[in-house]
Parts: sequence; C-alpha cells; structure tokens
Amino acid sequence: AQSVAQPEDQVNVAEGNPLTVKCTYSVSGNPYLFWYVQYPNRGLQFLLKYITGDNLVKGSYGFEAEFNKSQTSFHLKKPSALVSDSALYFCAVKGYNNNDMRFGAGTRLTVKP
Amino acid sequence: NAGVTQTPKFRILKIGQSMTLQCAQDMNHNYMYWYRQDPGMGLKLIYYSVGAGITDKGEVPNGYNVSRSTTEDFPLRLELAAPSQTSVYFCASSPTGSRSSYEQYFGPGTRLTVT
Repeated sequence: AQSVAQPEDQVNVAEGNPLTVKCTYSVSGNPYLFWYVQYPNRGLQFLLKYITGDNLVKGSYGFEAEFNKSQTSFHLKKPSALVSDSALYFCAVKGYNNNDMRFGAGTRLTVKP
Repeated sequence: NAGVTQTPKFRILKIGQSMTLQCAQDMNHNYMYWYRQDPGMGLKLIYYSVGAGITDKGEVPNGYNVSRSTTEDFPLRLELAAPSQTSVYFCASSPTGSRSSYEQYFGPGTRLTVT
C-alpha cells in the first residue's frame, strides 16, 4: 500500500520569509499527490494536487508544490509566509489504480510576526 | 450547497455502547470516505465507498461498519465502543473520473470520547 512521510513535526518561519513543508511518498505506479490544510477545530481543506503534467503545481492562497519523481517528493512551498498561514498541513497520496488515500502525520506550521 | 455535513459534533459513549455517526453530502460525489484523526497520527482511513452499494475497508476498519444505500449518505457504525475508538472522525467525499477530480471535501468532524 502507498504511504506518505512528513519528516518535520513542526516548521517555524518568520513572516515574509519563504516556507517549505516537506513530503515524501511511496506508491506503486504513478502517484496522485495532494496537500491539505487544517485550521483548529476544522476539517481539512484542499490546497493543491499533482495528477500529471508540470512538476510545479500552483494552488490556493499562494501555495505551490514541486513534484520530484526521482526523489519521490512533493514539497509544499510559499515565497512569502503570512501569520495566517499558521496551521496543520497534511500531504496525501493515492495510487493510480486504487481508491485508497493515505495521509501523512501532518506538519504544524507556525509563522511568527 | 451545504457540502459535507456530519452529526453529531460531539458524543460521549460508555464502553460497550453502540452508535452511528452520520455523514451526508449534497455534491453528487460518488466517492465517500471515513477517517479517524488521533493526535500526532494524521488521518487513518477506516472505510470508503465508490458508489451506492459498494464499500471497502481502509487501513483501520476493525470495530467499525459502514453502509451506502444512497449516493448522499455514508453512515459509520460503532457496535461495541472501546476506549481505543476515542478520536475525531472525519467524513469526506470526492468527485471521480476525470484528472481534475479526487480531491476530497471534508466535513467538520465528530469528536467521540469513549469512557
């Protein structure tokens, strides 16, 4: 079965600085990759996805992610962090030929003013 | 559209009791999912359904049952509640078929405590 690893439990950045939240995956065949964000006491919200095509995917709120097949990574990035970006971020993977979605353990992003 | 709705928002159960967590979506999505979220553990898939009458086990199905009699509803049943089932439960749905699909839309969650 597919799996996702988010190696950092916590990422701290200063407002205005670039941010990166890391994700690596394992799956048979071509992956479907996703990033979600969760604010306190809320369900997850979809940010962006990679299905096929350009390796750099742009999503909501100025976030983007780069698919790297050789490194099996899908890191989330933003050029200039905002305090309002502080939340819990989840990476997820789905295999091309199955319906089973697997999520990482999550990374808590804190952006300080 | 209400999106994905879940009831109840909170529930406290005693060990051995049973209950059903309700989930409904009004987006005509074929795919629906149940997850549990434990602190620091991310989301674990319990069951999913690709359409009415079709369900399948996810990563952690033991102690749970589901049914899918309509496209809109996907209830999750706990038959004999155990403390290990204390968690936050999320229901999600997703459209299917095209390359632009598979992103999931989540409900607000049900916080369940078993004591």
